[in-house]
Amino acid sequence: GENVEQHPSTLSVQEGDSAVIKCTYSDSASNYFPWYKQELGKRPQLIIDIRSNVGEKKDQRIAVTLNKTAKHFSLHITETQPEDSAVYFCAASIYGGSQGNLIFGKGTKLSVKP
Amino acid sequence: GAGVSQSPRYKVAKRGQDVALRCDPISGHVSLFWYQQALGQGPEFLTYFQNEAQLDKSGLPSDRFFAERPEGSVSTLKIQRTQQEDSAVYLCASIIQGAGEQFFGPGTRLTVL
Repeated sequence: GENVEQHPSTLSVQEGDSAVIKCTYSDSASNYFPWYKQELGKRPQLIIDIRSNVGEKKDQRIAVTLNKTAKHFSLHITETQPEDSAVYFCAASIYGGSQGNLIFGKGTKLSVKP
Repeated sequence: GAGVSQSPRYKVAKRGQDVALRCDPISGHVSLFWYQQALGQGPEFLTYFQNEAQLDKSGLPSDRFFAERPEGSVSTLKIQRTQQEDSAVYLCASIIQGAGEQFFGPGTRLTVL
């Protein structure tokens, strides 16, 4: 089955700096890669996702890149702000299949210092 | 409209007790997922429903775990004879159908003493 590895497990940056979180996946059939942000005690919230038919997607300060050949994808946050502090999870699934349950990485705790 | 809701938000059970966790998905969402999130970990898949049909229960950790969605909307996750290792946040998510963005509920934090 699918296995998703995520690193680093913790990341501390200064406000205004960029943050990069990387994930790898094992199942070449996976074609949908969402990123979720989870604040302490809250539900996971989708912040950006990418399908395998594109290599990059951007939404304001957030971007995701995908390398299908290498089976890895990354989250890039530019101009970080203290409110970006949270745990970020990458995930993989098969979009358009009969199911679509997500396989999550173990998470990255991002701390943005003012 | 309302998002995914779950109840109770917190549940404390003594070891050996049975518990029932409820999920109200977004109205009209065909697909419903249950995940277990241990402290400091990512959510792990438990089971999946399409309407009332439980199509995948491969993630349920033991036969003490049981889930149902009898009318294709509200779902209940039941854990019998709870053990300490069952302590976790149980998340429910729904999507319109098939695969795509999953909308998560706030979770139920289960603590087994």
